[in-house]
Amino acid sequence: SAVISQKPSRDICQRGTSLTIQCQVDSQVTMMFWYRQQPGQSLTLIATANQGSEATYESGFVIDKFPISRPNLTFSTLTVSNMSPEDSSIYLCSVEDYRRGTANYGYTFGSGTRLTVV
Amino acid sequence: QKEVEQNSGPLSVPEGAIASLNCTYSDRGSQSFFWYRQYSGKSPELIMSIYSNGDKEDGRFTAQLNKASQYVSLLIRDSQPSDSATYLCAVEDGNTGKLIFGQGTTLQVKP
Repeated sequence: SAVISQKPSRDICQRGTSLTIQCQVDSQVTMMFWYRQQPGQSLTLIATANQGSEATYESGFVIDKFPISRPNLTFSTLTVSNMSPEDSSIYLCSVEDYRRGTANYGYTFGSGTRLTVV
Repeated sequence: QKEVEQNSGPLSVPEGAIASLNCTYSDRGSQSFFWYRQYSGKSPELIMSIYSNGDKEDGRFTAQLNKASQYVSLLIRDSQPSDSATYLCAVEDGNTGKLIFGQGTTLQVKP
């Protein structure tokens, strides 16, 4: 299956600042997904990043707050801008893995970035 | 709003017992269903995917799908303390292909 390297693993940031999270995949993938997992909650999709086009954001998430880059088929970044304590969450990237219809089809996640905003 | 519902638990079972985790979903157009395991402080790990009605077995895990009743379940046989984790049910939106996650069920396996 795909291997995703996500950095940083954790950070403590001051409110009003920005943090950029990176995900590097060991194979070329068409779509990369960015999720947020707030404390004690499940995963919420922030946006879908395609190479060569603007990311598609889910309801409640905007580009000014969560700008995404996707410069090639193996790399993406998510920036959390102008942070507030409410942004304290785990942020995860994910890719579709294996071919659809095989026994091992699914989505693989990066190791996550635990963000605390103080 | 398309939804995926799980009992948050905790579900507590003794070591060696069968743990049964359930999930219902609202989107009749969904075709792909996934169970993820998430240990505290870790990212979700895919356990099983299932697309067809019926059972799919992989080692100690069996996924069951009933599209008519819109539920999917996960059975864990011979539960071990190392199975203690949160289990997330995810359903692929039939229109967009995006994953919709349930809230997760916390499983505790007691020695």
